Parts: sequence; structure tokens; C-alpha cells
Amino acid sequence: DTAVSQTPKYLVTQMGNDKSIKCEQNLGHDTMYWYKQDSKKFLKIMFSYNNKELIINETVPNRFSPKSPDKAHLNLHINSLELGDSAVYFCASSQVLDASYEQYFGPGTRLTVT
Amino acid sequence: DQQVKQNSPSLSVQEGRISILNCDYTNSMFDYFLWYKKYPAEGPTFLISISSIKDKNEDGRFTVFLNKSAKHLSLHIVPSQPGDSAVYFCAAETSGTYKYIFGTGTRLKVLA
Repeated sequence: DTAVSQTPKYLVTQMGNDKSIKCEQNLGHDTMYWYKQDSKKFLKIMFSYNNKELIINETVPNRFSPKSPDKAHLNLHINSLELGDSAVYFCASSQVLDASYEQYFGPGTRLTVT
Repeated sequence: DQQVKQNSPSLSVQEGRISILNCDYTNSMFDYFLWYKKYPAEGPTFLISISSIKDKNEDGRFTVFLNKSAKHLSLHIVPSQPGDSAVYFCAAETSGTYKYIFGTGTRLKVLA
């Protein structure tokens, strides 16, 4: 009965590989996000989709490509992985209702690039 | 360019006492502020929020205060409980941008 789920929870891969992280929300929200939490624990927004349309792209390298097949899913594909991509990636969703903007986060995917 | 700052990386408080977590921001366009709580190996969970038209919002043991002139907000937890031990993030947004800017977090430890 998880609200926002991500798979996989852990991902270990080698430099140069291509990998995907999947995110699904069952809250009926219309906006989804990807965040990166780096080694300094800084939680930084990467992308935001509203009704399957990209609305935020925070100067993320184009090796990162989000894909939203429908409102409930926002997947993150990463090409040519680099050491610096190692981080925890969080998916989140929200629904703007009467100025309420709270986000619901998934459990995170810890990506380790070796 | 860190627009939202939490200058205290950690805080220890005795059980039953008040915990005060602080957050400063630089962007005067921010008009909505949120606090999240994060346990290890889990995603952040929403705690409480405040709109810039208010200066206080209360929910049970949690109260958020906003001082717009000082660009400062604080989260008060009273009484603090051991289960409150977690990392607390403040976040800010300009309405309609969908862009939440997070602080670096403060690790709260409530001692039994």
C-alpha cells in the first residue's frame, strides 16, 4: 500500500553503463519529481513533471533523461554513468490543492558507480 | 548559491524539553515553507508547512514560526520525544514554480 515506490532500492554498477530507476505513485497526484542527495546530504531537485510534461530541468547533464509514460510514473534513465553520479535518488509527488504543496517521497535508490 | 540554509548540522535535546530547529533563506520570492523529517534509509516525510501570509502554524507538538523580515523560520517541537530523533529538512518554494529548495538538514537527537 506504498504511496510512492521506487525500484531498485540499491543499484551498483560500473562506469559507462546505462541504468534506469523506476518510480510509481498511487496517490493520484499530478506532479512528480526527481531529487538527488549527494554525499554532503544536500537534497537537490533535478526534474519535475506536471501531467506528464517537463516543467523543471535543473541544469542536469543530458545523460539523465526522465520519462513519464503516465501521471503515475516517472522513470529516470541515466546513460554513461560516471563516478560522480553516485548518490541517493529520491522520487516524490505532490498535488497542489488550496496552496498545499507537500510532497510525498519514495524511499530512495542508492546508486553506487564503481 | 544556497538559498535555504540550516546552519546547525546537529542538535541534542533532553527528552521532554523543547527542540528548536532553525532555517534561513535568501530569496524573498519564497512564499511557502515546509519542514520534512527523515529517518535513515527512508525518504523524507512531510511534517508541517506555513504560507508567507502567516507567521505561525501549529500541529500538535510541532509549531513553525516564520519571520519574513528576517527571512527566518524555525520549527519547535515540544515536548521532544526519542522518536523525534531524525534529520529535519526545511524547504522553500515560490508558489506555482513546483521548485522546492531544500536546506542541508539538521540532525536532531533526543536523549532519553
